[in-house]
Amino acid sequence: EIVLTQSPATLSLSPGDRATLSCRASQSVSNYLAWYQQKPGQAPRLLIFDASNRAPGIPARFSGSGSGTDFTLTISSLEPEDFAVYYCQQRVDWPPLTFGGGTKVEIK
Amino acid sequence: QVQLQESGPGRVKPSETLSLTCTVSGGSVSINSYYWSWIRQPPGKGLEWIGYVYYSGSTNYNPSLKSRVAMPIDTSKNQFSLKLSSVTAADTAVYYCVKSSWNWYFDVWGRGTLVTVSS
Repeated sequence: EIVLTQSPATLSLSPGDRATLSCRASQSVSNYLAWYQQKPGQAPRLLIFDASNRAPGIPARFSGSGSGTDFTLTISSLEPEDFAVYYCQQRVDWPPLTFGGGTKVEIK
Repeated sequence: QVQLQESGPGRVKPSETLSLTCTVSGGSVSINSYYWSWIRQPPGKGLEWIGYVYYSGSTNYNPSLKSRVAMPIDTSKNQFSLKLSSVTAADTAVYYCVKSSWNWYFDVWGRGTLVTVSS
């Protein structure tokens, strides 16, 4: 089973700041990695797929990069609605499809 | 636009079977490029993929749950279901029904339903 480790667990930032979230895989997942955003009381929403492709309707301030075992989600300038929990997910070696433990982006 | 809605009991007793149904609207479960999954999230914790069902009835489950899981599909009702047997308190979670395409990313989610395992 591929384990995805996200860091940091919590990121305390202010609106307008740049957010950099990390996801590290226990073995290579090529570029087959997605990012999701989850707000309190809501289902997750797909942001990025195949490491760097934005899903339909996702603002350009969200970008993804990386390949192999190290991946980054960047939010260029945090909007108030971006404070949420973010998860990564791999699809290269399954079952099971696996998720990271999440990074919470909170208001400083 | 495909929409998903979970339904089922909010409380299940230990050792019994958890049964949930997902109703698909705005699209058909029989589209051959769509796969229908269940994902759960214990309170305050992360996401766990339970498994998927395809319109043909073929399935694939998380090995950690495989012995207790079944996912039937009813194309005539445009629904698919989750059955999880021998539940314990560790199965308490919000359960989401989710759609993915061939790329195995989850692009449409239901709102989720909380199932509590308690006597």
